[in-house]
Amino acid sequence: AQKVTQAQTEISVVEKEDVTLDCVYETRDTTYYLFWYKQPPSGELVFLIRRNSFDEQNEISGRYSWNFQKSTSSFNFTITASQVVDSAVYFCALSDSGYSTLTFGKGTMLLVSP
Amino acid sequence: DTAVSQTPKYLVTQMGNDKSIKCEQNLGHDTMYWYKQDSKKFLKIMFSYNNKELIINETVPNRFSPKSPDKAHLNLHINSLELGDSAVYFCASSQGTGLSYNEQFFGPGTRLTVL
Repeated sequence: AQKVTQAQTEISVVEKEDVTLDCVYETRDTTYYLFWYKQPPSGELVFLIRRNSFDEQNEISGRYSWNFQKSTSSFNFTITASQVVDSAVYFCALSDSGYSTLTFGKGTMLLVSP
Repeated sequence: DTAVSQTPKYLVTQMGNDKSIKCEQNLGHDTMYWYKQDSKKFLKIMFSYNNKELIINETVPNRFSPKSPDKAHLNLHINSLELGDSAVYFCASSQGTGLSYNEQFFGPGTRLTVL
């Protein structure tokens, strides 16, 4: 059975601080995909990144970066120089073999204050 | 053009009623999904359809009946609504299934409130 754990329920930072959101996953499959989604207060789910299990390269996109470490089954997400617009709930998700359904973590609410 | 659309966006109804939520995607995708997000923001898969065939049913009560008239539509009908059905329901679609995974595109969600 697959499982995604986001241990941080809520994080509060002040604008311009860096913040890391943790994600730990469990799966028995050797091929799987990991995702991060953002859910702003408006409620829609915004896709941020997809990573497959064979690609452990870290990725940077603007102020966002992701650290994938198979050895610790973690896929952490860092926002550099946070902004108020980053305030949202962030979900880590896993999809393994089969029919591509996503197993989500419980989400981390990020509050960035000015 | 909206990729995945859902109607209605908000639905308020009484316990015991029957209601439907519609989902349409104009991406030409083969696979569609319904997810439920509860009051604690937890997102969980309910159903998945591939080419109009049900492929995933995650122990959802049989009061919930998905219907896929064609590849572009996956509607969710709920009978005898209960208070616990109050949630946000998200429709999603992807190009395919299996290991050559394709990104899931989500609709805007339908907030269902059962009084």
